[in-house]
Amino acid sequence: GESVGLHLPTLSVQEGDNSIINCAYSNSASDYFIWYKQESGKGPQFIIDIRSNMDKRQGQRVTVLLNKTVKHLSLQIAATQPGDSAVYFCALGGSQGNLIFGKGTKLSVKP
Amino acid sequence: DSGVTQTPKHLITATGQRVTLRCSPRSGDLSVYWYQQSLDQGLQFLIQYYNGEERAKGNILERFSAQQFPDLHSELNLSSLELGDSALYFCASSATGEQFFGPGTRLTVL
Repeated sequence: GESVGLHLPTLSVQEGDNSIINCAYSNSASDYFIWYKQESGKGPQFIIDIRSNMDKRQGQRVTVLLNKTVKHLSLQIAATQPGDSAVYFCALGGSQGNLIFGKGTKLSVKP
Repeated sequence: DSGVTQTPKHLITATGQRVTLRCSPRSGDLSVYWYQQSLDQGLQFLIQYYNGEERAKGNILERFSAQQFPDLHSELNLSSLELGDSALYFCASSATGEQFFGPGTRLTVL
């Protein structure tokens, strides 16, 4: 079946450094991938998405990389700020239009 | 603010009881999704409605049911509650593609 895994449950970075959060998935038929950010006490917030016909997509300070060969997805955050502290989830579009979420990586930014 | 609203924000109840969680999607969004977030299971898809009709089902227990009304708001009904049902329940809405999540309802079953 479809599943999504995260490599690291926690990540601590220095303010101003770049952050890289990784994710692996099992279903090679998946064609839609999304990163969400969840701050404490709030719902998941869309960050960036990518379709399987692309291998890279950039947003404001964020970049998503997709490697379909090894079924790996990563989120890069440039110049990480204290406001980036949150739990980050990768998700893939399921066969029913739902989202299948990974377990999440908690990003802590040290000042 | 995602534009999706959920009430109540917190709900405390006892085992065996029944509760109803409410969700109002973003204006114009026809799809509503319900998710459960617990510490051990993470974010799990429960059920989707599209314009009043059930569209997809995930890991939803038989004790749980949902509906979407003509004004597109949705309700998730949880009955015969067990301690293990304590979790955050999120709804999300979408037009096409991107799903926007509400702030969630935190359910505590004592």
